[in-house]
Amino acid sequence: GAGVSQSPSNKVTEKGKDVELRCDPISGHTALYWYRQSLGQGLEFLIYFQGNSAPDKSGLPSDRFSAERTGGSVSTLTIQRTQQEDSAVYLCASSLNFGVGYTFGSGTRLTVV
Amino acid sequence: RKEVEQDPGPFNVPEGATVAFNCTYSNSASQSFFWYRQDCRKEPKLLMSVYSSGNEDGRFTAQLNRASQYISLLIRDSKLSDSATYLCVVTNQAGTALIFGKGTTLSVSS
Repeated sequence: GAGVSQSPSNKVTEKGKDVELRCDPISGHTALYWYRQSLGQGLEFLIYFQGNSAPDKSGLPSDRFSAERTGGSVSTLTIQRTQQEDSAVYLCASSLNFGVGYTFGSGTRLTVV
Repeated sequence: RKEVEQDPGPFNVPEGATVAFNCTYSNSASQSFFWYRQDCRKEPKLLMSVYSSGNEDGRFTAQLNRASQYISLLIRDSKLSDSATYLCVVTNQAGTALIFGKGTTLSVSS
């Protein structure tokens, strides 16, 4: 596609529920990243996928967070048993290869009530 | 020490002013450096890469000092549309992702 597409754009969920966030990167971009941005805070790195290599999961805050990237394209970030502190904007980005600038999607605003 | 540190501002300047933002980073192994711009409630967008020799893009000039682990962004002839948060960005220890500073907020007024 022309840009990085994320869905849903907004998600309100009850504490304890699981949520899935989707990212469709720019066609041909081999690198895909997930970040989150809490209100008034900087971007926090979560996970990185590069081609068929094992992902770098070093930024995932707890084992409630997981992500997959199927077929080297679409990625899903799953948060299990959501907590209020999970409320944030979850941003996906892709790039042609690591070391060049990313293109971000418009994000999913997650609110846990 | 935080990985990327920036003065949060806000910087309030009149149109036409020149303004400079500074950033320091802790990872001496960082290889790539960028400035991103983020408008309110929007995603970050790449403004420019930063090269060791310094580089310019129109009214914007970026400088890198590897010895001091210091990056700067200079904006000349500020426009109202320059109002945004400017994010300093470097590669992480593993070289697998970009680490973002919390940003410096600029407000340009007429």
